[in-house]
Amino acid sequence: DADVTQTPRNRITKTGKRIMLECSQTKGHDRMYWYRQDPGLGLRLIYYSFDVKDINKGEISDGYSVSRQAQAKFSLSLESAIPNQTALYFCATSELNYGYTFGSGTRLTVV
Amino acid sequence: QKEVEQNSGPLSVPEGAIASLNCTYSDRGSQSFFWYRQYSGKSPELIMFIYSNGDKEDGRFTAQLNKASQYVSLLIRDSQPSDSATYLCAVTVGGGGSYIPTFGRGTSLIVHP
Repeated sequence: DADVTQTPRNRITKTGKRIMLECSQTKGHDRMYWYRQDPGLGLRLIYYSFDVKDINKGEISDGYSVSRQAQAKFSLSLESAIPNQTALYFCATSELNYGYTFGSGTRLTVV
Repeated sequence: QKEVEQNSGPLSVPEGAIASLNCTYSDRGSQSFFWYRQYSGKSPELIMFIYSNGDKEDGRFTAQLNKASQYVSLLIRDSQPSDSATYLCAVTVGGGGSYIPTFGRGTSLIVHP
């Protein structure tokens, strides 16, 4: 099994729908992150969490929310999806300052 | 505003050559430097990290850090077609404990046979 698992791998949804992306990890790391990647824009941080009771906004949190259900689980929700949220979404984990382990990604298309 | 700059490329090198990828950063308080490799449609994978000035070697990869000039490089010796990917530079600033990295937009590397 992968260290960081994201579900679903691909999703097509309609404008206005609520959608949840899930992430689970077996690394035992406290720190978890959600990023989106768009061509030409690189990786942009949406939300991050340093432990179960800690949630922080990243640079592009508008339109998104998160839930840290357990040390190993961190989910990202789009409350009302819009087409410009079409992107590749990555979950990542880390232990302090030792670099990230990324999940395989979720390719989300909003039509 | 912390900035991490990379030439988007593509950098094209022949098989067997040395590929040199460069990254500059704006924050002089930067302390940790990471290189990730990302194949098309896949997730980034950590391949090197460096904390101190100088060179760090791992197999065919060498990371070079020069804090005075605020750049970090990744050298790939004996480049192979399988090295063709986008390479992301990431930098974290010390202090405060957050260690949230700033990523560059990546350099595309093409190794042709």
